[in-house]
Amino acid sequence: KQEVTQIPAALSVPEGENLVLNCSFTDSAIYNLQWFRQDPGKGLTSLLLIQSSQREQTSGRLNASLDKSSGRSTLYIAASQPGDSATYLCAVNSNYNNNDMRFGAGTRLTVKP
Amino acid sequence: NAGVTQTPKFQVLKTGQSMTLQCAQDMNHNSMYWYRQDPGMGLRLIYYSASEGTTDKGEVPNGYNVSRLNKREFSLRLESAAPSQTSVYFCASSAPRLNTEAFFGQGTRLTVV
Repeated sequence: KQEVTQIPAALSVPEGENLVLNCSFTDSAIYNLQWFRQDPGKGLTSLLLIQSSQREQTSGRLNASLDKSSGRSTLYIAASQPGDSATYLCAVNSNYNNNDMRFGAGTRLTVKP
Repeated sequence: NAGVTQTPKFQVLKTGQSMTLQCAQDMNHNSMYWYRQDPGMGLRLIYYSASEGTTDKGEVPNGYNVSRLNKREFSLRLESAAPSQTSVYFCASSAPRLNTEAFFGQGTRLTVV
């Protein structure tokens, strides 16, 4: 069974700092990995999707990397802003069943002005 | 383009009552999903439907039933609600064969007393 872990559970940084969120998974047979953002009381918004054959994806100030062999992904946020404050969730889609997406518990990020 | 729409947004049930959560998507996605989100546990898959007319159990299916009414709609039914089913429920849709992102609804906050 795929287990997805996100560390740390919570992170507080001053505005302008670059930061890295971590995601680890136990089974390297993945179809893709997605990073989502969730604001309080809201649904999930997809930020980046990395296919299993890719090593990284970039969107604006966000960069996500994937290392399947070590079971790790990182989400890098450059020049953080208070508007980046949210919970960030990592989700892994299985190669055995690409409808079986497993989530980590998330990292709650606070960016202080 | 509404994406994924869930109803209702909030619901309070008494133990033993039944209810159906509705979900509709307008992106012509083949796959639809129901998740629950509990504090500190991330999202867990309840049921999914890989195509119209098919449904499969996810990680936590007990106490739930689903119906894929057509390609657009996927409903989740609680036949006899229990306090352990107090949670936030999310519907999602995707097109796994295209290896693209999943889209989520805004969630239904359900309390069973």
